[in-house]
Amino acid sequence: QPVLTQPPSASGTPGQRVTISCSGSSSNIGSNNVNWYQQLPGTAPKLLIYSNNQRPSGVPDRFSGSKSGTSASLAISGLQSEDEADYYCATWDVSLNGVFGGGTKLTVL
Amino acid sequence: QVQLQQSGPGLVKPSQTLSLTCAISGDSVSSNRAAWNWIRQSPSRGLEWLGRTYYKSKWYYDYAVSVESRITINADTSKNQFSLRLNSVTPEDTAVYYCASGEYSSSELSSWGQGALVTVSS
Repeated sequence: QPVLTQPPSASGTPGQRVTISCSGSSSNIGSNNVNWYQQLPGTAPKLLIYSNNQRPSGVPDRFSGSKSGTSASLAISGLQSEDEADYYCATWDVSLNGVFGGGTKLTVL
Repeated sequence: QVQLQQSGPGLVKPSQTLSLTCAISGDSVSSNRAAWNWIRQSPSRGLEWLGRTYYKSKWYYDYAVSVESRITINADTSKNQFSLRLNSVTPEDTAVYYCASGEYSSSELSSWGQGALVTVSS
């Protein structure tokens, strides 16, 4: 059972805004930064958002992240077909060390 | 731009030791700001962080609680690579294994290896 809780699926139509939630506890999200990864089929995960809301160079500004208390969210605006992928949140836990969410499969309808 | 190239056997027998290596280009394994991680992914367990090593005047190691009795991560400065050893494997350890790197002071993983499927079977 993943330490961080994500909805298993999300969907939207092209151009829409979609948000994916990530819920944790005071020992992980509540005390550490959250990172988000995008995984396209058959490829390694790619860092999408780091330190809650920072985008690595090359990541479009359609992707944004936020954190409040023991929860975090990833928002994708202007949804495009190429955004169809699995999305994972991750952080550090004071007891367990590195932890991931269970992943959210995003479908672009 | 850090690039990571993984190598190692794709099939391991139950009770034996899984060994993988990750060769680094574009950085040094003894960099004083980078951490070198191993992660695995399976349909039943999802993405699972296994451990990391980093150098800050001495070598440090952090391991996942779930595997800490069976795992060893080592750095080889002469070959600029790091390795994973997982002892006493069972079919539950069948997964795609990734090496990844990031800043030691934070948990983000900015560069990833290509991944390697390791199957535990007799």
